[in-house]
Amino acid sequence: EPEVTQTPSHQVTQMGQEVILRCVPISNHLYFYWYRQILGQKVEFLVSFYNNEISEKSEIFDDQFSVERPDGSNFTLKIRSTKLEDSAMYFCASNPPGGTEAFFGQGTRLTVV
Amino acid sequence: GQSLEQPSEVTAVEGAIVQINCTYQTSGFYGLSWYQQHDGGAPTFLSYNALDGLEETGRFSSFLSRSDSYGYLLLQELQMKDSASYFCALNTGGFKTIFGAGTRLFVKA
Repeated sequence: EPEVTQTPSHQVTQMGQEVILRCVPISNHLYFYWYRQILGQKVEFLVSFYNNEISEKSEIFDDQFSVERPDGSNFTLKIRSTKLEDSAMYFCASNPPGGTEAFFGQGTRLTVV
Repeated sequence: GQSLEQPSEVTAVEGAIVQINCTYQTSGFYGLSWYQQHDGGAPTFLSYNALDGLEETGRFSSFLSRSDSYGYLLLQELQMKDSASYFCALNTGGFKTIFGAGTRLFVKA
């Protein structure tokens, strides 16, 4: 069964460093998302991406964040200068055309020290 | 803005039926979704209501009333593996889903 794949599963980084989280969405999906979940809290929307551009972003998604789809398969989230409060689980998700179900990857646990 | 409220915890007995409620505030949306998340896992889609009424998928059913800004997830024949967090979420078109804070369901033997 097709699935959304995220790498790495766990990333530890020092405060102020840049990190890139990688995702391979399901191949025929058109809508891509990044969400984050701080431990024990709700899933928070960060950004959606469609037709090679950002469709919507939340107030969390400030200038420190960027997304890219550098080729036909990968979808990345970059955090330029990480802060302690960026520590969270980051989920990538995708939707098929016309679909209402978001398929989530297993997440990348980011720990900023 | 948009917001959703759901109970923080619910406890039920194996084999029983449990209902998890969700109330929301929004200026407009396409539908209400429900997701299940086990500890350490990713959210997985359970159900979606675009229209008022009941949607049934196996042991899970979901209900929406737009006039009451209210929905619920009904889980029947509870099993221990149903112990997880359940999130209601507003679909604001194809590009954004806003999640509630989640309801932690404990199923006891």
